Amino acid sequence: EPEVTQTPSHQVTQMGQEVILRCVPISNHLYFYWYRQILGQKVEFLVSFYNNEISEKSEIFDDQFSVERPDGSNFTLKIRSTKLEDSAMYFCASSALWGNTEAFFGQGTRLTVV
Amino acid sequence: DQQVKQNSPSLSVQEGRISILNCDYTNSMFDYFLWYKKYPAEGPTFLISISSIKDKNEDGRFTVFLNKSAKHLSLHIVPSQPGDSAVYFCAASGTGGFKTIFGAGTRLFVKA
Repeated sequence: EPEVTQTPSHQVTQMGQEVILRCVPISNHLYFYWYRQILGQKVEFLVSFYNNEISEKSEIFDDQFSVERPDGSNFTLKIRSTKLEDSAMYFCASSALWGNTEAFFGQGTRLTVV
Repeated sequence: DQQVKQNSPSLSVQEGRISILNCDYTNSMFDYFLWYKKYPAEGPTFLISISSIKDKNEDGRFTVFLNKSAKHLSLHIVPSQPGDSAVYFCAASGTGGFKTIFGAGTRLFVKA
């Protein structure tokens, strides 16, 4: 069964460093998303991406965040200068359609900022 | 921003009985609702959805009910099984929207 894959599964980084979280969405999907879940809290929307541009972003997705689809398969989330409060599980998701459809999630990358 | 609320952080049910998980929403623009299931150290897995033009959708042991006037939906699992023990997230989206808003989740424990 096709699945969304994320690497790495766990990333530890020093505060102020840049991190890139990688995702390979399901191959025929066109819409891509990043969500995060801070420990013990809800799953929060960060950004959606379609046709090589951001479709929508939340207030969390400030200037330190960026997304890119550098080639036909990868979808990346970059955090330019990490803060302690960026520590969370980051989930990539993709969907074939937009609107009334479900998204398929990856296993997540646990980011720990020390 | 609490557009989707799951007021019960946890629920404990005996195996074989019915589990009822509840969800309320505030944004009347939402017209598509989903339930996701999440095990520890895994991403959310889609379970079942319902469009606002329906009031019920059933898939095997899982049924979702939507009450638009009350802005309330519920997920019924019957019969509950120990493998159903997980965190269940209610989620909602609006037509034309590119994001899905999640509730805080309800942790379901099904006791054998």
